[in-house]
Amino acid sequence: QVQLQESGPGLVKPSETLSLTCSVSGGSISGYYWSWLRQPPGKGLEWIGYVYSNGYINYNPSLKNRVTMSVDTSKNEFSLNLNSVTAADTAVYFCATGLLVQEFGSWGQGTLVTVSS
Amino acid sequence: DVVMTQTPLSLSVTPGQPASISCKSSQSLLHSDGKTFLYWYLQKPGQSPQLLIYELSSRFSGVSDRFSGSGSGTDFTLRISRVEPDDVGVYYCSQGIHLPYTFGQGTKLEIK
Repeated sequence: QVQLQESGPGLVKPSETLSLTCSVSGGSISGYYWSWLRQPPGKGLEWIGYVYSNGYINYNPSLKNRVTMSVDTSKNEFSLNLNSVTAADTAVYFCATGLLVQEFGSWGQGTLVTVSS
Repeated sequence: DVVMTQTPLSLSVTPGQPASISCKSSQSLLHSDGKTFLYWYLQKPGQSPQLLIYELSSRFSGVSDRFSGSGSGTDFTLRISRVEPDDVGVYYCSQGIHLPYTFGQGTKLEIK
């Protein structure tokens, strides 16, 4: 199983852009789908979207206008950008993957991003 | 979006006793290829979710055979044959056939 590790700022100001990176180890990023999910404190899970290794993307319509995902095969990592953030975007953000796009067999440890001035 | 509704939202179980969690989807999760894209995850306290069951009833690698998934169409059940203390956490069902992928609210399992 691959190992995933999220990284990025833990604090983002309102209206700014949240940027996270997920580093993949123990396997190649090529040929697989890579997803981002989030979990507001004390709440359930929300799927944000996925990016395929060739750059093909699919986003949750609830965030579609604000989210961008990309993949860097040379670095074996993929990224999430969420712009115009508000307090409602405060959450633990997870990167995840699996043998199929909709199956999350491997997860990162998660990183808490707080939106606050 | 497909709504996933879990019941109960919490349950308290004596070790060694069975437990079951229900999950209902607002649309069928049966694909034309015959597969049902229903998943079960367990999020232990302070941890990331971990996959237990995929495609309705297949146990993920390393998952105890005490866990089993069943159901069809829009009604699904996760059963734990004999609950152990390490099973505590929040269980989520998820659907992977309709975009966006969605999750149930979660069912918190506690040990008596």
